[in-house]
Amino acid sequence: ILNVEQSPQSLHVQEGDSTNFTCSFPSSNFYALHWYRWETAKSPEALFVMTLNGDEKKKGRISATLNTKEGYSYLYIKGSQPEDSATYLCAFASGTYKYIFGTGTRLKVLA
Amino acid sequence: DGGITQSPKYLFRKEGQNVTLSCEQNLNHDAMYWYRQDPGQGLRLIYYSQIVNDFQKGDIAEGYSVSREKKESFPLTVTSAQKNPTAFYLCASRGPSGEQYFGPGTRLTVT
Repeated sequence: ILNVEQSPQSLHVQEGDSTNFTCSFPSSNFYALHWYRWETAKSPEALFVMTLNGDEKKKGRISATLNTKEGYSYLYIKGSQPEDSATYLCAFASGTYKYIFGTGTRLKVLA
Repeated sequence: DGGITQSPKYLFRKEGQNVTLSCEQNLNHDAMYWYRQDPGQGLRLIYYSQIVNDFQKGDIAEGYSVSREKKESFPLTVTSAQKNPTAFYLCASRGPSGEQYFGPGTRLTVT
């Protein structure tokens, strides 16, 4: 059974702090790794799609790295703002159409 | 505006009744998905459809049925055979890079 784990489960940081969290996934049969942001009362929104070992993606203050050989991805948020408060999901794809989601990291940024 | 719509937002049913959740997209995406979320768990795949008139079981298909007669529509029926139907249901479509576009979700409560 393929398992995707995210840590920590939840996180409280002060405004302006930088933070990071981890997604661990199977290191075999890798096709892609996705990151999503899910704000309360909204739909999950895609942040990054990562496909190559060593990939680094960036969107504003948020960036992500990928290590497919060891099966992990890091999501970094630089200078956290209250609007970054959300649940961050990762999803592992071993093929074109099926995804396995982690349980998410719930981030709360305190003003 | 392009996107995924799900209706209704909240749904209440008595045990033993079948119920159908609606999902429509105007993104012209071929593949569509149904996920279920329970507290403390990641999104779990119920069914997905790669193309019209085709669908595949996901990891937790028992007690559910789907149809895909039109590209835009992928309704999910929760049957009385589903033992624990109370949950949050998310519909999604697959974008060109594999990213998922999610609807706002339907919260189903069965008593």
